Amino acid sequence: EVQLVESGGRLVQPGGSLRLSCEYSGFSFRSFEMNWVRLAPGKGLEWVSYIDSRSTTIQYADSVKGRFTISRDNVKNSLYLQMGSLRVEDTAVYYCARESFRGLDNWGQGTLVTVSS
Amino acid sequence: DIQMTQSPSTLSASVGDRVTITCRASQSISTWLAWYQQKPGKAPNLLIYEASNLQTGVPSRFSGSGSGTEFTLTISSLQPDDIATYYCQPYNSHSWTFGQGTKVEIK
Repeated sequence: EVQLVESGGRLVQPGGSLRLSCEYSGFSFRSFEMNWVRLAPGKGLEWVSYIDSRSTTIQYADSVKGRFTISRDNVKNSLYLQMGSLRVEDTAVYYCARESFRGLDNWGQGTLVTVSS
Repeated sequence: DIQMTQSPSTLSASVGDRVTITCRASQSISTWLAWYQQKPGKAPNLLIYEASNLQTGVPSRFSGSGSGTEFTLTISSLQPDDIATYYCQPYNSHSWTFGQGTKVEIK
């Protein structure tokens, strides 16, 4: 069974940093592209970042470009999101999601990031 | 970047009604479009991929159609369990921006 489990979300002050993790099980992690998606309070889903299976192609939403860094460790079956210069508007539940030819076909349960003073 | 325009933003219908949600892309994405359902407090769930293919385990009352720039998601007979927000998203095209979402309510 495919399982994605995010961790690392917490309360952080504006301007602070945070690293989210997403651990995989149940599939060949190194074969799949991965994404981070977030849902802010009262808003719709927002795609955040993409990384291909070998970390050769990486994309970011304009809203996080230059502040967030996506990475992966295919040995540890883990996906990461390093978040810096955090803003109040980054407050959201962050999901990792596996991408296949079907789209984002498996999602984690999400981890809550709250940016507030 | 490809922009997705989804409508309506809110939809209120009765149990048993046929419901249609529309998504328009700012440029052609062939059939590289997925539809997701998200219930409050839950992760999104893939319903439809490649515009018209039903994901395994999704009830057959859900269907998708379209290609190029115009897409629709249809629920043939709305059920109470379908109360959720629905999103379209292009993929496999180096653009992943979601539509704004459609909140479906029971009248």
